Amino acid sequence: GQSLEQPSEVTAVEGAIVQINCTYQTSGFYGLSWYQQHDGGAPTFLSYNALDGLEETGRFSSFLSRSDSYGYLLLQELQMKDSASYFCAASGSGAGSYQLTFGKGTKLSVIP
Amino acid sequence: DAGITQSPRHKVTETGTPVTLRCHQTENHRYMYWYRQDPGHGLRLIHYSYGVKDTDKGEVSDGYSVSRSKTEDFLLTLESATSSQTSVYFCAISESGLAGANTGELFFGEGSRLTVL
Repeated sequence: GQSLEQPSEVTAVEGAIVQINCTYQTSGFYGLSWYQQHDGGAPTFLSYNALDGLEETGRFSSFLSRSDSYGYLLLQELQMKDSASYFCAASGSGAGSYQLTFGKGTKLSVIP
Repeated sequence: DAGITQSPRHKVTETGTPVTLRCHQTENHRYMYWYRQDPGHGLRLIHYSYGVKDTDKGEVSDGYSVSRSKTEDFLLTLESATSSQTSVYFCAISESGLAGANTGELFFGEGSRLTVL
């Protein structure tokens, strides 16, 4: 099975940078994904890391360290529209090959 | 946007009644999933399908059954709804298995809000 831990809430100022951490305990870990969900909406995919290192997609970057069982999502130049919940999710190989297990989510509030 | 439609979007029912939620996709993706989302628990996998008539249990499958008779449709049934099944249910699809040619990417429907009184 897999379990993921991430902070429940984060507050940051518009224009600033914020990092949302995720640690995981897994069997058969394959990769780490990040999803964004606005209130009342559906989760939408942001990024995926299967290898160690940083993946950059515009203002968002995601990092993975397999040796530390740790990853983070970095949001730069924060905008008010970035206020949402962010979920890390781990995909597993072997018996868990079809399952994506989600963390409980981090609610990001961007303030002026 | 991925073509995923969930129905009904909202439903209120009473304890003990059967409920079926439908997920319909137009993407011809092989893999389909049902998740439930509750405050403090995030998204938890109920059941998933890796092909027509091929399904398996997820983390919280008790009290739920699924069927997939066509590639495009994945049904979630609560045989006898209970108040603990009050939740928002999300259907998701993926093109590849999550450990195969893997991008970790799921496409989600807009959700079905179920209230069991």
